[in-house]
Amino acid sequence: AQRVTQPEKLLSVFKGAPVELKCNYSYSGSPELFWYVQYSRQRLQLLLRHISRESIKGFTADLNKGETSFHLKKPFAQEEDSAMYYCALSGLTGRRALTFGSGTRLQVQP
Amino acid sequence: KAGVTQTPRYLIKTRGQQVTLSCSPISGHRSVSWYQQTPGQGLQFLFEYFSETQRNKGNFPGRFSGRQFSNSRSEMNVSTLELGDSALYLCASSLGGGEPQHFGDGTRLSIL
Repeated sequence: AQRVTQPEKLLSVFKGAPVELKCNYSYSGSPELFWYVQYSRQRLQLLLRHISRESIKGFTADLNKGETSFHLKKPFAQEEDSAMYYCALSGLTGRRALTFGSGTRLQVQP
Repeated sequence: KAGVTQTPRYLIKTRGQQVTLSCSPISGHRSVSWYQQTPGQGLQFLFEYFSETQRNKGNFPGRFSGRQFSNSRSEMNVSTLELGDSALYLCASSLGGGEPQHFGDGTRLSIL
């Protein structure tokens, strides 16, 4: 069975501090990993996907197949980063349905 | 380009009734997926349609059904509503073929 685990419900940091949102997964096969973000009163939107290997809004995430992790990182948090962050996976082929983690709320304090 | 549009935004129903929710995907997107979001279970996959065919189905009872029309618009139907069906129902569309899913604002369904 596939599963995504986000161990922290809430992560609170000060502006300018580094941020790491943890995501671990289990999947029998080759997964594709995503980070979705939901800002206050906005719809869920894609932030990153591992196959793109790009940095969006200063965020990066590296797929570690050995540790089955896909942690989201940003070196210097900004107040506008405050949001709900969801890690999700799907198969690279075949079943494309997203399996989501429970989400982590990031609060960046001034 | 207009985003994914879901109607209605809010619905209140009573137990035993049925409900139909609608989703208009982004123009050109042929894949539509539905998700249920609740505080207890989080975001759970319901089903996916591509070119009017159901491709995948999540672990939900048969009371939950859906369909997709030739213009890619999709509807989902829930019959014999139960209190536990109260949730935010999200629709997502994509080009298919592994392209990312884009979400709508959702329909918030409350069962009294």
